Amino acid sequence: QLQLQESGPGLVKSSETLSLTCTVSGGSISSSSYYWGWIRQPPGKGLEWIGSIYYSGSTYYNPSLKSRVTISVDTSKNQFSLKLSSVTAADTAVYYCARLRDFEWHFAYWGQGTLVTVSS
Amino acid sequence: QSALTQPASVSGSPGQSITIPCTGTSRDVGGYNHVSWYQQHPGKAPKLMIYEVSNRPSGVSNRFSGSKSGNTASLTISGLQAEDEADYYCSSYTSSGTLVFGGGTTLTVL
Repeated sequence: QLQLQESGPGLVKSSETLSLTCTVSGGSISSSSYYWGWIRQPPGKGLEWIGSIYYSGSTYYNPSLKSRVTISVDTSKNQFSLKLSSVTAADTAVYYCARLRDFEWHFAYWGQGTLVTVSS
Repeated sequence: QSALTQPASVSGSPGQSITIPCTGTSRDVGGYNHVSWYQQHPGKAPKLMIYEVSNRPSGVSNRFSGSKSGNTASLTISGLQAEDEADYYCSSYTSSGTLVFGGGTTLTVL
């Protein structure tokens, strides 16, 4: 059974860079037909797609976050990562990693999510 | 990109049917069949309920169904049960090669 697990600091200072890693188990991150994505959810609010990456390194980003987001992949560790720079309180959210089906654009497998709080 | 439009809340009694609309544009919902629906219970990760407009993943009850007409996709839940009470989100691929979610709908089972 495929499993995804987010890890990283739960508290980040304003103006600094948020860094999270998603570890994939029970399957290979190098599988064809799948992208790997990050989604976030501010407390009490809806879901927002951040971006997605293929194992080759090809990426797609949300235009509203593109200038601050970098998603990378490490196939040797079966992991992919998120970096969000210049964070503010508005970036406080639960961050999820998930597997995206190519050509169909749906997330069938999700991590449990990790809360990241931006402090001033 | 703008979020897809969903009603903030819907409600229904056990056994009834409800429909949640998700309205976009010809650049997303209306232009592609890559529309999905997710169920989210409090404190939990979202769960995929419908993909490609009307397909159900293995293990999802056939009480859940999806459809699309023009720029509006819909999720219908028949035979409402208490366990269906949750937040529901639609998503769609866009002509920009990105993904957009709806604002979410809270379903209350009366």
